Amino acid sequence: GENVEQHPSTLSVQEGDSAVIKCTYSDSASNYFPWYKQELGKRPQLIIDIRSNVGEKKDQRIAVTLNKTAKHFSLHITETQPEDSAVYFCAAAETSYDKVIFGPGTSLSVIP
Amino acid sequence: DTGVSQDPRHKITKRGQNVTFRCDPISEHNRLYWYRQTLGQGPEFLTYFQNEAQLEKSRLLSDRFSAERPKGSFSTLEIQRTEQGDSAMYLCASSPTDSGNQPQHFGDGTRLSIL
Repeated sequence: GENVEQHPSTLSVQEGDSAVIKCTYSDSASNYFPWYKQELGKRPQLIIDIRSNVGEKKDQRIAVTLNKTAKHFSLHITETQPEDSAVYFCAAAETSYDKVIFGPGTSLSVIP
Repeated sequence: DTGVSQDPRHKITKRGQNVTFRCDPISEHNRLYWYRQTLGQGPEFLTYFQNEAQLEKSRLLSDRFSAERPKGSFSTLEIQRTEQGDSAMYLCASSPTDSGNQPQHFGDGTRLSIL
């Protein structure tokens, strides 16, 4: 079955700097890659997703890249703000309505 | 549309007791998913439904776990003879399959603590 790895497990950046989280997946049948943000005690919330027919997607300060050949995908957050502090999960699935396999998470701290 | 609703938010019970959780998906979402999340880990897939049909169960779901979605709307997850290792956050999510690549929306979860 699918296995998603994620690193780093923790990341501290100064406010205004960029943060990068990298993930790998194992199942070539995966075509949908969502990213979720989870604040302490709250539900995971989708922040961006990408499908295998595109290599990059951007939404304001957030961008994701996908290399399907290498089975790598990454999240880039620019101009980080303290409210970006949370745990971020990458994930993979065959489609947006199939079971989602999550990575172990990255705890991001943005230092004011 | 109030989002995915889960009840209760917290459940504390003694080992060996049975517990049942409820999930109300976003209306008209035909797929409903259950995940389990332990501290410091990502959510782990347990099972999912399309309408009332249970499509897949993870190997994580032992015989003590059962999930139903009898009318294709709300779902229940029951754990029988609870064990310490069942302590976790149980998350429910829902999505449509007919609205073009809509993501899964999560509820706030039910936090289960086994004494």
